[in-house]
Amino acid sequence: AQTVTQSQPEMSVQEAETVTLSCTYDTSENNYYLFWYKQPPSRQMILVIRQEAYKQQNATENRFSVNFQKAAKSFSLKISDSQLGDTAMYFCAFVTGGSYIPTFGRGTSLIVHP
Amino acid sequence: KAGVTQTPRYLIKTRGQQVTLSCSPISGHRSVSWYQQTPGQGLQFLFEYFSETQRNKGNFPGRFSGRQFSNSRSEMNVSTLELGDSALYLCASGLGTGGSTDTQYFGPGTRLTVL
Repeated sequence: AQTVTQSQPEMSVQEAETVTLSCTYDTSENNYYLFWYKQPPSRQMILVIRQEAYKQQNATENRFSVNFQKAAKSFSLKISDSQLGDTAMYFCAFVTGGSYIPTFGRGTSLIVHP
Repeated sequence: KAGVTQTPRYLIKTRGQQVTLSCSPISGHRSVSWYQQTPGQGLQFLFEYFSETQRNKGNFPGRFSGRQFSNSRSEMNVSTLELGDSALYLCASGLGTGGSTDTQYFGPGTRLTVL
């Protein structure tokens, strides 16, 4: 079975600081995709970043970047210059190219303090 | 472009009833996926439709079903509701070529409460 583990249920950070959310996954597949989604309180879930496993270069979207360690099956999200609007639940997800069925982690609740 | 819309936003039903939820994808998107989100089980994939065909299905009982229309709008139905079906049901749309491997855009969800 494929699993995604987010070991930090809650995290907090001061505005303008950097925070890293961890995610590990388990699969025997080689063709897969990794995602970080953000779900703000009472608002829609949005895609933060997407990584294709065959690409060695880490994906980056503005202040958001990932550290993808394929051998270690680790996919952490770094948020630089944290803003109050970054307060949200963050979900790590994993989809294989074979099953197309996504598996989500339990989420990390991030609070950004002013 | 308008985003993904879901109706109704809130729904209260009693055990044994059935319910139909609706999802309108972003214009031009042909793939629609459904997810169930609960505090206990987290986010779980229900199924994905593409061009009116169910392309992938998660591990849910047959009480959960769906369909997609020619305009890509999708509905999901839950029959014989149980208390454990209380959840936020999310719909997501995508261009469709890669299913859930593609970028997906989520709707606001339908909050279903079963009494």
